[in-house]
Amino acid sequence: EVQLVESGGGLVQPGGSLRLSCAASGFTFSDFDMHWVRQGTGKGLEWVSGITFTGDTYYPGSVKGRFTISRENAKNSLYLQMNSLRAEDTAVYFCARLSRGYYDLNYWGQGTLVTVSS
Amino acid sequence: EIVLTQSPGTLSLSPGERATLSCRASQSVSNNYLTWYQQKPGQAPRRLIYGASNRATGIPDRFSGSGSGTDFTLTISRLEPEDFAVYYCQQYGSSPPGITFGQGTRLEIK
Repeated sequence: EVQLVESGGGLVQPGGSLRLSCAASGFTFSDFDMHWVRQGTGKGLEWVSGITFTGDTYYPGSVKGRFTISRENAKNSLYLQMNSLRAEDTAVYFCARLSRGYYDLNYWGQGTLVTVSS
Repeated sequence: EIVLTQSPGTLSLSPGERATLSCRASQSVSNNYLTWYQQKPGQAPRRLIYGASNRATGIPDRFSGSGSGTDFTLTISRLEPEDFAVYYCQQYGSSPPGITFGQGTRLEIK
């Protein structure tokens, strides 16, 4: 059974940093592209970053230069380093696996809440 | 960058009725790689339809997807109480690479 479990969320001050982790199990982690998606309270889904199985990374303009996605295949783990955090980064952060073939997110974690506030 | 626009923003219907949700893309979606998700409060999104018209494993056959190019539709033939939720469409772009979501359609009980 595929499982994705996020951790590392919490309360951080504006300008601060936080590192999220996503532990994967039930599949060959090194074979799949992985992504982070966030959702502010009462808001829609926003893509945050992606990393290919070969390690290429990409980001939307809203987080580029502040967030860094990485992976450690030996530990079946995905990470999101978030720096220079702003109030508008407050959200639940989900990790998700990209399917092969149709480029959809077919498995999601339960999410971890990040709150940026003084 | 492709923008996905969903309509309506909110759809009020009764159980047993038919629901039709729309997702329009600003440019043609590559290979019709258009996905629909359902999300209930406090839960992660759940994939319903991928590749515009393929039902995901375990999804009831009252859910169907159609469309191509820039216009896509999610249809729920007869609404069950558990279908009232928020629905999102999503596409994957290669230039620039990334994922785009529509803003969502809230399906509420009338």
